[in-house]
Amino acid sequence: SQTIHQWPATLVQPVGSPLSLECTVEGTSNPNLYWYRQAAGRGLQLLFYSVGIGQISSEVPQNLSASRPQDRQFILSSKKLLLSDSGFYLCAWSVLPGYQPQHFGDGTRLSIL
Amino acid sequence: DQQVKQNSPSLSVQEGRISILNCDYTNSMFDYFLWYKKYPAEGPTFLISISSIKDKNEDGRFTVFLNKSAKHLSLHIVPSQPGDSAVYFCAAKEGSNYQLIWGAGTKLIIKP
Repeated sequence: SQTIHQWPATLVQPVGSPLSLECTVEGTSNPNLYWYRQAAGRGLQLLFYSVGIGQISSEVPQNLSASRPQDRQFILSSKKLLLSDSGFYLCAWSVLPGYQPQHFGDGTRLSIL
Repeated sequence: DQQVKQNSPSLSVQEGRISILNCDYTNSMFDYFLWYKKYPAEGPTFLISISSIKDKNEDGRFTVFLNKSAKHLSLHIVPSQPGDSAVYFCAAKEGSNYQLIWGAGTKLIIKP
């Protein structure tokens, strides 16, 4: 069966520091991968998605970037964090676009001080 | 502009009774709808989905109804159990579009 791992679960970083969040999927090949952010009391906002190695689409311009160095690895990065980057970050995968659900990791709670 | 709206931030239901969670959408091009359940500090878990060619889909205690003319969908949970206490999100997408559009969620509380 397919599993998705996301780490760390919690992260506290100072303003201006770099960020690297990692997500890996097991049990499937060539998944579509997604990074979301959830602000308090809000729905999920899609940040990036990828349909293959090295291919990244950005939905929202911001202080973050994403990379997909391997088929089942998705990384969310920032060179200099802002206070507004605080939130709950979620990685997800799906088999194909179309009529298939996305499946989520357990998320990373990022607090910027 | 919120394309997917969950107008009830919270809902309290007695254990054993029916829970009905509602969701409205504005984009008539949406043709695939999903419900997710989320516990605190965890990622959302997929519950059930429905495509626009159907008006009902059932999976165990969970049934989703779609009313395309009213642009409304609902999730029924029967009977409600304490473990159902969580935040429920509805989401929608258009065709082969990658992006899911999410509602803000409804917190369901099941009272013993």
